[in-house]
Amino acid sequence: DVKVTQSSRYLVKRTGEKVFLECVQDMDHENMFWYRQDPGLGLRLIYFSYDVKMKEKGDIPEGYSVSREKKERFSLILESASTNQTSMYLCASSSPSGDEQYFGPGTRLTVT
Amino acid sequence: QKEVEQNSGPLSVPEGAIASLNCTYSDRGSQSFFWYRQYSGKSPELIMFIYSNGDKEDGRFTAQLNKASQYVSLLIRDSQPSDSATYLCAVWERDMRFGAGTRLTVKP
Repeated sequence: DVKVTQSSRYLVKRTGEKVFLECVQDMDHENMFWYRQDPGLGLRLIYFSYDVKMKEKGDIPEGYSVSREKKERFSLILESASTNQTSMYLCASSSPSGDEQYFGPGTRLTVT
Repeated sequence: QKEVEQNSGPLSVPEGAIASLNCTYSDRGSQSFFWYRQYSGKSPELIMFIYSNGDKEDGRFTAQLNKASQYVSLLIRDSQPSDSATYLCAVWERDMRFGAGTRLTVKP
């Protein structure tokens, strides 16, 4: 019954490292999203994608980039990790109307 | 910037009571509205969505939407301790935006 998977549950990286977070969905969804979740701030949208090779900035894209080369895979890249990027990262996919959105289990990233 | 606001809580209700969770949104172009439940340490899971003004019922859950007031709510009847979680309001227009969530505790 696996729908959205993320490459790691826990990740520890050093400041300045390039970090790749991978997300794969098996529902043939067009839309995919990357969020980060911090206490008291809720889920904040980093980037989203409506289709292969398409990407749109969310509210907090600074310091991040994304890649969607295949429909089922959406990658989040931290070009040069910083301590303020320590967070829970959640990937989601959805149908075009959003009424069928599923989240991955999340990756807790710590940057030291 | 699109905003979704929720009553910050935390909200505590006794078992069997009605829990009421509220949400307002800023973008009048928003089309669809969602309630997610998130247990501690877990990912959000969708519990209800609503598109039209009025009420939508699903078991013990009722979502209410008032587009003129830009207001959506979730009522949980006969609250159970297993309903204790953070409830996230989300709004879809071209993407999905979330409120900060309301933590609900149902006390036995």
